[in-house]
Amino acid sequence: AQSVTQPDIHITVSEGASLELRCNYSYGATPYLFWYVQSPGQGLQLLLKYFSGDTLVQGIKGFEAEFKRSQSSFNLRKPSVHWSDAAEYFCAVGPKATDSWGKLQFGAGTQVVVTP
Amino acid sequence: EAGVAQSPRYKIIEKRQSVAFWCNPISGHATLYWYQQILGQGPKLLIQFQNNGVVDDSQLPKDRFSAERLKGVDSTLKIQPAKLEDSAVYLCASSLERLAGTNEQFFGPGTRLTVL
Repeated sequence: AQSVTQPDIHITVSEGASLELRCNYSYGATPYLFWYVQSPGQGLQLLLKYFSGDTLVQGIKGFEAEFKRSQSSFNLRKPSVHWSDAAEYFCAVGPKATDSWGKLQFGAGTQVVVTP
Repeated sequence: EAGVAQSPRYKIIEKRQSVAFWCNPISGHATLYWYQQILGQGPKLLIQFQNNGVVDDSQLPKDRFSAERLKGVDSTLKIQPAKLEDSAVYLCASSLERLAGTNEQFFGPGTRLTVL
């Protein structure tokens, strides 16, 4: 069965410290991989995506993610967190099949709290 | 460029009542999605339209939920009658292309439904 797992429900990090959010997936083949961020009262915003090629992907707001095929992981990182990064983060996977209708499957999310 | 618009932002109803949500996607986006996001979970796709046709409604509870996109632009999602477990945020998203590979989905702010 296909699944997306975000093991950490809640993470607290100090402003200026580094952040890493974990994402593991179970899929028939390597899917397309996405990270979205959801600020309170807002819709989801795409941070970055991985389709193929370089396994280290750069995104917006200083985020990056690394795809590791052997571990079926796509972890999100940021070297130095700002207070505005407090939000909920979702990992998502989508099928690569050319006849796919683009259906995304989301993880349960990780809530990030930033302390002064 | 205007984003995905949704209304209302909040709705409180009694169980067994009916409710409708409206979504206006980004201009020119052919694909429209409705997601249900229950508290503590990631978004779950309810229905996906390509222009005015349904391409995936496998997770839509069809005995109580319905959706339409008559002119291939804006869309309405209806629940009749509502149950307590329908309390959630209903997100609308749109994308230019249908395939996951080129498929950045742009999300609206959502409608928070509370069923009492």
